[in-house]
Amino acid sequence: EAGVAQSPRYKIIEKRQSVAFWCNPISGHATLYWYQQILGQGPKLLIQFQNNGVVDDSQLPKDRFSAERLKGVDSTLKIQPAKLEDSAVYLCASSFERGGRNEQFFGPGTRLTVL
Amino acid sequence: AQSVTQLGSHVSVSEGALVLLRCNYSSSVPPYLFWYVQYPNQGLQLLLKYTTGATLVKGINGFEAEFKKSETSFHLTKPSAHMSDAAEYFCAVSPGLSGGYNKLIFGAGTRLAVHP
Repeated sequence: EAGVAQSPRYKIIEKRQSVAFWCNPISGHATLYWYQQILGQGPKLLIQFQNNGVVDDSQLPKDRFSAERLKGVDSTLKIQPAKLEDSAVYLCASSFERGGRNEQFFGPGTRLTVL
Repeated sequence: AQSVTQLGSHVSVSEGALVLLRCNYSSSVPPYLFWYVQYPNQGLQLLLKYTTGATLVKGINGFEAEFKKSETSFHLTKPSAHMSDAAEYFCAVSPGLSGGYNKLIFGAGTRLAVHP
């Protein structure tokens, strides 16, 4: 089966610019996650969707970050405006269900560099 | 609140030697525990997980981990390292049965180097 797809793989922008990332989860997976992985750290959950509804966005900087999953399938994460500290790898993951034992499958990530 | 501590940001072993990557967690509820591996420029791949039952868990590529509740540990081991094991390894915890959502809390990671 196809894995989690993300695009672009790399993005370089100037600070204060906007950027958007796209994620297509594994077919049939109801739960979708966006993580931020700063160099030298483990991934940190930004937002979690169950179908097209948000179930956890407690660590999403809502003044500049937004995400949507309008049709309950693919998702976009936007940063507007970007700051230097947003430089990181943004990982998308999906799981069949939201329960804690369910494996999360990760995409390859988008590496963002903010200059 | 839950947290994960991985002791040693870098571990170096010789090919054929024992691999031991340490993970300690804190959780107010029975946790689910995971080990993920990340190869350069790739996403995370699940190595193994503990949910309930047997505390010694076997995973892919010859890795295994043991859940020790009394020590709040979930250390990852492999008897004989291979060059292809060089990667970054992340330990993670989720709330388990008491938590409705599959929220993973990751440790900072351990980079494993394997030399000839």
